[in-house]
Amino acid sequence: DIVLTQSPGTLSLSPGERATLSCRASQSFSSSYLAWYQQKPGQAPRFLIYGASSRATGIPDRFSGSGSGTDFTLTISRLEAEDFAVYYCQQYGIFPPTFGGGTKVEIK
Amino acid sequence: QVQLQESGPGLVKPSETLSLTCTVSGGSISTYYWNWIRQAPGQGLEWIGYISYSGSTKFNPSLKSRATIFRDTSKNQFSLNLKSVTAADTALYYCARERGEGDLAFVLWGQGTLVTVSS
Repeated sequence: DIVLTQSPGTLSLSPGERATLSCRASQSFSSSYLAWYQQKPGQAPRFLIYGASSRATGIPDRFSGSGSGTDFTLTISRLEAEDFAVYYCQQYGIFPPTFGGGTKVEIK
Repeated sequence: QVQLQESGPGLVKPSETLSLTCTVSGGSISTYYWNWIRQAPGQGLEWIGYISYSGSTKFNPSLKSRATIFRDTSKNQFSLNLKSVTAADTALYYCARERGEGDLAFVLWGQGTLVTVSS
């Protein structure tokens, strides 16, 4: 299975700051098959990004994804209060689909 | 809009079979791939398997053939059975729909249902 390692484990930032989240894969796969999700306490994950860089319907443009090969990044350009959550990356290019362990973005 | 809702027992005894159902409203399960995903307490996410629009299924090998997924198209529901459960199967179980054409990014999720394995 592809192992996705997310870093940092926790990111402490203030509203208005830029968040940069990393997702590194144990082997290379097509960037067409990398997704990002946001999860808040007590809620299901919310689909944010697919194909490494395409925003899902209704996702604000402050969220952007990039990367290829084994290294992928989710950037939140200016954090808003509702963005403090846990973020997961997921690959679906190589069976079985797997998720990273998550990065928690918390208020500093 | 399409909505998914999980249902089933919240408590299952060790060695027994966990059974959950996902009811889909606002869309037909005869399109798309329909998935089960779980999240152990305080942990990350694990894909369990899917049933496709045609009824074919595929599972995570990590489950060692303990899982089955079947559907009832007349009720627009699909279900998960996981046999021989242990405490390691305690988790929040989600049903989810993929993005399209077997592209296993998960666009829509149910709210999740907590299943505890305990005697």
